[in-house]
Amino acid sequence: NAGVMQNPRHLVRRRGQEARLRCSPMKGHSHVYWYRQLPEEGLKFMVYLQKENIIDESGMPKERFSAEFPKEGPSILRIQQVVRGDSAAYFCASSLPPGQGSEQFFGPGTRLTVL
Amino acid sequence: AQSVAQPEDQVNVAEGNPLTVKCTYSVSGNPYLFWYVQYPNRGLQFLLKYITGDNLVKGSYGFEAEFNKSQTSFHLKKPSALVSDSALYFCAVIDTSGTYKYIFGTGTRLKVLA
Repeated sequence: NAGVMQNPRHLVRRRGQEARLRCSPMKGHSHVYWYRQLPEEGLKFMVYLQKENIIDESGMPKERFSAEFPKEGPSILRIQQVVRGDSAAYFCASSLPPGQGSEQFFGPGTRLTVL
Repeated sequence: AQSVAQPEDQVNVAEGNPLTVKCTYSVSGNPYLFWYVQYPNRGLQFLLKYITGDNLVKGSYGFEAEFNKSQTSFHLKKPSALVSDSALYFCAVIDTSGTYKYIFGTGTRLKVLA
């Protein structure tokens, strides 16, 4: 059973370009979370999705950022018109229903560098 | 609002000594509590969780944690630290009063000195 997959592992973009980060959850998991981490810092929650629905996007900037988790295919975190401050590691996690006390499983992360 | 606090940014311990990484929580209702570890340039790995039952929870790599309801704490412990335990440790709680997202502490860097 493959773990959480994220691609690409490293992404370099120039200012103003778009970044698309992909996350395939563990098999059987329909709950996906995105986090951002700066070097030597903690995790910042961005968004929580369940198949085709955004459950909580309270941590995601209102502009330039969007996320989706379609019925088929991976979850996508999209950053439009990237700026240098978007450079960070972005982690995806998946779980069974959290109401059951399920733990999250994390992917290896995508390291975004904005030049 | 539900929250979790890790009061120490860094903990240093000598190899072979016991280690404790502290975590306190604030929740309404029964807490679902977790510990994760992050090694450099890696994603977080699940160590252990408390949902219900025995207050002492055993997890991966010899770690354990004690749930203390009166002190609202869930400290991570290991009887004998290894240099390879050096990493970033995160405590987390599920927001059962809201959207059921996971709330993470700010992390504690553990350094085990040889």
